[in-house]
Amino acid sequence: QSVLTQPPSVSAAPGQKVTISCSGSSSNIGKSFVSWYQQLPGIAPKLLIFENDKRPSGIPDRFSASKSGTSATLGITGLQTGDEADYYCGTWDSSLSAVVFGGGTELTVL
Amino acid sequence: EVQLVESGGGLVQPGGSLKLSCAASGFTFSYYDMLWVRQAPGKGLEWVSGISTAGDTRYPGSVKGRFTISRDNANNSLFLQMNSLRAEDTAVYYCARLVGVVARPYGVDVWGQGTTVTVS
Repeated sequence: QSVLTQPPSVSAAPGQKVTISCSGSSSNIGKSFVSWYQQLPGIAPKLLIFENDKRPSGIPDRFSASKSGTSATLGITGLQTGDEADYYCGTWDSSLSAVVFGGGTELTVL
Repeated sequence: EVQLVESGGGLVQPGGSLKLSCAASGFTFSYYDMLWVRQAPGKGLEWVSGISTAGDTRYPGSVKGRFTISRDNANNSLFLQMNSLRAEDTAVYYCARLVGVVARPYGVDVWGQGTTVTVS
């Protein structure tokens, strides 16, 4: 059972938009930065978003994120088949004194 | 090119030990806090350990007392000594570079390709 809760799966058609939620608590998302990762099958995770809503260089602006209170959301617009992957949120939990990740969300582009 | 390359994974019996290594290149290794993150087969990401630039270490309860993270800044290397291994430690282990500090991470911006540890 992950400290951060994500939906197990989401799906949408090519060209559409999808959002992935990450729900936490006052000891993690409520007081720490959230980051988001994309993991294509069989490959190491890749940083999509850091410091709640910032994109590293090279990440297209189709990827965006926000944080409000104890929840965070990743949004992907203009979906492409190449976006099919697992997506994880991550942050620091001050009660656990641990880096924590969500359980991951599998994105299917129908 | 910024790169992290893990090595040292393999098959080990329950109760055994293994030491993972991570070679860093393309950046000033000593400037960054570093992590080990693992992923069991078909499962999600799990943080295993973290070390600051000053050598301060942190662990989750699942590995505390069994795993030891260390670094050699002179040789741009990160290590994970794993003792008293259990079947549930079977996973791909990733070396990762942190943006920020372990207790206030902005994100993990560089990941190695991973090394597989099988405890059986």
